[in-house]
Amino acid sequence: RKEVEQDPGPFNVPEGATVAFNCTYSNSASQSFFWYRQDCRKEPKLLMSVYSSGNEDGRFTAQLNRASQYISLLIRDSKLSDSATYLCVVIRTGTASKLTFGTGTRLQVTL
Amino acid sequence: DTGVSQDPRHKITKRGQNVTFRCDPISEHNRLYWYRQTLGQGPEFLTYFQNEAQLEKSRLLSDRFSAERPKGSFSTLEIQRTEQGDSAMYLCASGGWSNEQYFGPGTRLTVT
Repeated sequence: RKEVEQDPGPFNVPEGATVAFNCTYSNSASQSFFWYRQDCRKEPKLLMSVYSSGNEDGRFTAQLNRASQYISLLIRDSKLSDSATYLCVVIRTGTASKLTFGTGTRLQVTL
Repeated sequence: DTGVSQDPRHKITKRGQNVTFRCDPISEHNRLYWYRQTLGQGPEFLTYFQNEAQLEKSRLLSDRFSAERPKGSFSTLEIQRTEQGDSAMYLCASGGWSNEQYFGPGTRLTVT
C-alpha cells in the first residue's frame, strides 16, 4: 500500500464548477501536509499548506482530518487555468522534512 | 530570479556515460533536496542536505549516484554508468526554517 493515495482521475469539469479531491495517508506519524500543483512537464509548485483547522486561499479550501488520515482540496468556480495535476504531500515526523507525494489527481477544466 | 535554478534543463546521454546536474537553491535556504520523478508518478525522495552535510539518502540512490553540496550553497548530482532506467525528471528543492519546499524547473534526463 502506498503511503499517500490519491484518485488519479482525470476529473473533467466545466468552467465554474466546484470540484473536490481527496487523499489518504497511511502513516499516523505524518505531521505536515500540503497540496502542490504540477503543470505538464513542469515542476511542482506549492499551492497551500493544510492545517488541522482547515484553511482557505481564495477559491481553494483545504481540510485535514487526522483521525481518518484524510486530506481534501476543494476548488470553487473552476477556471481553465486550474487544469493541472494536484499532488497530495505529507511529511512524517523525524524525516528531516522530506516530502512524500501521492501520484497526483489530474484535473481538466473545459469550456 | 531568486528561485531555485537547475542546469541543464535537458540531457540526452548514451547508456554507460556519466552525467552531472547542478542545483542552485534559494540563497537563504539551508536545506536542499533531490527528488526523481517518472511519468505518471509523484516525485520520490533521493537525498537531503542541511548546509553542506548530506544527512539522508534514499535506498533508491544506488552506488552509481552521488551528490555533493561542498560549500552549503549549490549542489551537484552525478550519475555514473547511466542506465535506461535512470531516465526521469530530476528535481531539486530548497527549504528554509519552515517545512515548505520550493522546486526548481528540473533536469529531464533521457538515456538512450
